[in-house]
Amino acid sequence: QKEVEQNSGPLSVPEGAIASLNCTYSDRGSQSFFWYRQYSGKSPELIMFIYSNGDKEDGRFTAQLNKASQYVSLLIRDSQPSDSATYLCAVILLTGGGNKLTFGTGTQLKVEL
Amino acid sequence: DTEVTQTPKHLVMGMTNKKSLKCEQHMGHRAMYWYKQKAKKPPELMFVYSYEKLSINESVPSRFSPECPNSSLLNLHLHALQPEDSALYLCASSPSWTGGLNSPLHFGNGTRLTVT
Repeated sequence: QKEVEQNSGPLSVPEGAIASLNCTYSDRGSQSFFWYRQYSGKSPELIMFIYSNGDKEDGRFTAQLNKASQYVSLLIRDSQPSDSATYLCAVILLTGGGNKLTFGTGTQLKVEL
Repeated sequence: DTEVTQTPKHLVMGMTNKKSLKCEQHMGHRAMYWYKQKAKKPPELMFVYSYEKLSINESVPSRFSPECPNSSLLNLHLHALQPEDSALYLCASSPSWTGGLNSPLHFGNGTRLTVT
């Protein structure tokens, strides 16, 4: 089992719809969870982080964390073509030590006109 | 615009060349990282420096040699690379190595390296 798993996609949604991106992790002791957005050929850009169970909202983005089920998700409301990118879930694993981020393989999102 | 600056943006080098990648941040961060990213793959951690000391080496081949001259600068010296080392090399920084959510990583724009 991979430490951090994401569906590679592509996930296609129409403009204006809600995009739902999911991520599961193996280390039950993980405490910190991050979502990065990466445009093709560019570097990852931090979108949100979450550490408490429940929802955290920032503009059109909502991160959801369920530690009991070991999943974290990212909702993007009113999806725009500019949201088309690869979304990387990253987890600081308890066994990793320090700020050692473990990334999922990323989900490619395509927002279609 | 990123606050972590990497140079050069692109680099083409032969297998016998010696070159260096440079990274600079002026955010007062005390942890700096090198990641390697192949196409359609997630970033993979190579090295971590904390307070200018090497804290993590993820079993990286010796043809990659990191250096942290001061708290703002991080270099990656390259020698005798192989074509399979061609990738996007990302530098990142964070306030500390152990800060968790209080210390998210911020990435530079990367250096696209091609080894011929």
